[in-house]
Amino acid sequence: AAGVIQSPRHLIKEKRETATLKCYPIPRHDTVYWYQQGPGQDPQFLISFYEKMQSDKGSIPDRFSAQQFSDYHSELNMSSLELGDSALYFCASSPSGRQTQETQYFGPGTRLLVL
Amino acid sequence: AQSVAQPEDQVNVAEGNPLTVKCTYSVSGNPYLFWYVQYPNRGLQFLLKYITGDNLVKGSYGFEAEFNKSQTSFHLKKPSALVSDSALYFCAVRDRDDKIIFGKGTRLHILP
Repeated sequence: AAGVIQSPRHLIKEKRETATLKCYPIPRHDTVYWYQQGPGQDPQFLISFYEKMQSDKGSIPDRFSAQQFSDYHSELNMSSLELGDSALYFCASSPSGRQTQETQYFGPGTRLLVL
Repeated sequence: AQSVAQPEDQVNVAEGNPLTVKCTYSVSGNPYLFWYVQYPNRGLQFLLKYITGDNLVKGSYGFEAEFNKSQTSFHLKKPSALVSDSALYFCAVRDRDDKIIFGKGTRLHILP
């Protein structure tokens, strides 16, 4: 079965650079979630989109922005990168996520290292 | 606010023995509870969930979890552990706004 696809899988950037992470949800999933997992930490919710509209916002820095496109893929844009942004970034998708009992399925993650 | 707690950072179990990974929850309203597993350098894999219905939920790879409302617990169990079960296990709850709130994780070591 098709899974959530994330690209790139690994990314190395320097401080103050920008990065764009991409997420392709499972086909027919219209809801996308972004999570950040720091070293040795549990995943923390960043932001979510339902039907191309932002539906919820968590502990996402103002330097980060995201959007969901007409084909339901999503991009997380990160600017002015800091050392503390080094983490594993997960995308998850679910079908019709708003107020339903659907499961969120996670992608393999993008490991970002900021030097 | 919804939250889950995993009281054990690490659990060691001999191969072939039953395993239990503990989780307690604190929610307002009906709890939507999940277990995810993370293998080294891999993503989070869904194991099972409790939404409503039977308190014993069966999931992937022979895992099951028991929802206990009186003890506000959702412990993950498996009758016979395999070395390949060694991984990081996260208990999670779904928030009112649909985001997942994870516990701190429990590292499970299955000893050959």
